[in-house]
Amino acid sequence: QSVLTQPPSVSGAPGQRVTISCTGSSSNIGAGYDVHWYQQLPGTAPKLLIYGNSNRPSGVPDRFSGSKSGTSASLAITGLQAEDEADYYCQSYDSSLSVFGGGTKLTVL
Amino acid sequence: QVTLRESGPALVKPTQTLTLTCTFSGFSLSTSGMCVSWIRQPPGKALEWLALIDWDDDQYYSTSLKTRITISKDTSKNQVVLTMTNMGPVDTATYYCARSLANWSFDYWGQGTLVTVSS
Repeated sequence: QSVLTQPPSVSGAPGQRVTISCTGSSSNIGAGYDVHWYQQLPGTAPKLLIYGNSNRPSGVPDRFSGSKSGTSASLAITGLQAEDEADYYCQSYDSSLSVFGGGTKLTVL
Repeated sequence: QVTLRESGPALVKPTQTLTLTCTFSGFSLSTSGMCVSWIRQPPGKALEWLALIDWDDDQYYSTSLKTRITISKDTSKNQVVLTMTNMGPVDTATYYCARSLANWSFDYWGQGTLVTVSS
């Protein structure tokens, strides 16, 4: 049981927009701690996709965006592409610990 | 550029102690704000954060594993070591080291090393 809750799977057709939610609590996201998002392509290490709730590292396309409100955060992907098919994880901070969500598998139809 | 690489045994027996080394380059763990974490991922499962060590040698551990794990650093060698005692089959996973910044995001990751626990 992960501290941060994500939907197990989402899907969308090429060109569409999808969102992935990450629900926490008053001790992590709701306490004001940053949320970060990672993309893990099959067989590879995770890659930082969004940091500090809504910031993109250099090289990450602006099709990826993040937001946070209250005890939840969301990752949005617009203009879905086949190469976006991957697992996505949210991560935050909670009582001197790092916590991950359970991961969401994105399928591009 | 920043790189990290994990090394250690691919196979350990139940009850043994695992020692993994993360060798990094492109940054110094003596620089204020720099940290290195260990994260693992059992096959087909989610990421699990294990431990973090910062530039000031402060250590932070997963609540569920803190009695079994120790993280340490050798700044002169650019290495961070994770030891985990009393290994069991449930500890079979790919173990990653990653650089952390002050906001606890992990901006650079190693390729990971698969550790299998089996007799």
